[in-house]
Amino acid sequence: EPEVTQTPSHQVTQMGQEVILRCVPISNHLYFYWYRQILGQKVEFLVSFYNNEISEKSEIFDDQFSVERPDGSNFTLKIRSTKLEDSAMYFCASRQSEGHRQFFGPGTRLTVL
Amino acid sequence: SQQGEEDPQALSIQEGENATMNCSYKTSINNLQWYRQNSGRGLVHLILIRSNEREKHSGRLRVTLDTSKKSSSLLITASRAADTASYFCATEGTGGAQKLVFGQGTRLTINP
Repeated sequence: EPEVTQTPSHQVTQMGQEVILRCVPISNHLYFYWYRQILGQKVEFLVSFYNNEISEKSEIFDDQFSVERPDGSNFTLKIRSTKLEDSAMYFCASRQSEGHRQFFGPGTRLTVL
Repeated sequence: SQQGEEDPQALSIQEGENATMNCSYKTSINNLQWYRQNSGRGLVHLILIRSNEREKHSGRLRVTLDTSKKSSSLLITASRAADTASYFCATEGTGGAQKLVFGQGTRLTINP
């Protein structure tokens, strides 16, 4: 069964550094999402992406965050200058079209020191 | 307003017993989904129930949806130690990007 993949599985970075989290959605999917989960808390929506542009973003997704689909297969989340509070599990998800459910990747655990 | 509030926050039962978790939400939905998450791991999709469905079964799982009360329940029958995990409901809204809104989750512990 096709699956969403994410790399790396764990990233450790220093506060103020830039990080790029990578996702490879399922190949025929058209809608892409990023969510995050701070340890012990619920999963929170960050951003959705369709037709090469952001379709919706949450209050969490401020100017420090950006998303890109650089080559038709990867979907990336960039955090420009990481803060301690960015430490979380970041999940990528994709869906084929409206009416179909989202499929989640295994997550990237980001630790900001 | 907050979507997808589960109760109880934590549930501890004996192996073989049934576990029931509840979820309430506030806005119109396309569907409601239940996920399982083992500590620090990924999200495992369990079941999806559409807004026009009232009940759905999958193996030992039974999900109900009451759109008039904006609530859902997940029943796990004949629980096993391997069912120990956190369970989250997530609602897909009717508008916009159809993002998922997750609840706080129920931490289920099955005692052998």
